[in-house]
Amino acid sequence: SAVISQKPSRDICQRGTSLTIQCQVDSQVTMMFWYRQQPGQSLTLIATANQGSEATYESGFVIDKFPISRPNLTFSTLTVSNMSPEDSSIYLCSVEQVFGYTFGSGTRLTVV
Amino acid sequence: AQSVTQPDIHITVSEGASLELRCNYSYGATPYLFWYVQSPGQGLQLLLKYFSGDTLVQGIKGFEAEFKRSQSSFNLRKPSVHWSDAAEYFCAVVWGQGGSEKLVFGKGTKLTVNP
Repeated sequence: SAVISQKPSRDICQRGTSLTIQCQVDSQVTMMFWYRQQPGQSLTLIATANQGSEATYESGFVIDKFPISRPNLTFSTLTVSNMSPEDSSIYLCSVEQVFGYTFGSGTRLTVV
Repeated sequence: AQSVTQPDIHITVSEGASLELRCNYSYGATPYLFWYVQSPGQGLQLLLKYFSGDTLVQGIKGFEAEFKRSQSSFNLRKPSVHWSDAAEYFCAVVWGQGGSEKLVFGKGTKLTVNP
């Protein structure tokens, strides 16, 4: 299965600032996904990122708050903009493969 | 709307006891179904999946799950639980088609194992 490197693994940020999370895959993949896991909650899909096209956002998530880049088939970034304490969550990237979905180890974000 | 329901938020079992975690889905077509496990502070690990064929699927760590179309269920089982199985378990389903597929998760079941 693909190996996903996600960084940073954790960060503590001031409210009003932005954080960019990187996701690097060791093989080319068509679709990459970004999820949010709020404390004690399940995973919620933020958006789907295909290389060469605009990301598709789920209901409740907007591009201005969570801009995504997908410059090639092995890399994607998610930015959490103008952060507030409510953005404190684990953010995970995922890729689709023939046998299922593989996840990065996540970025634990705390906004103070 | 398509959904995944895990009725049990928290389950406690004794080490060595059997385990069954419930998962029900709402989906019009034959779904692709998954079980993932998340240990404290860890990422998500795929336990098993069902795409088609044999409705009883075997996974890692001694887990198995059975797809029952008539009950729209995909329950996870293990005959004898180990203390290391304490974790959060998520059922998930892929829905959508034609390049718009996405993985949707249930709310999870937290498993506590008593010695």
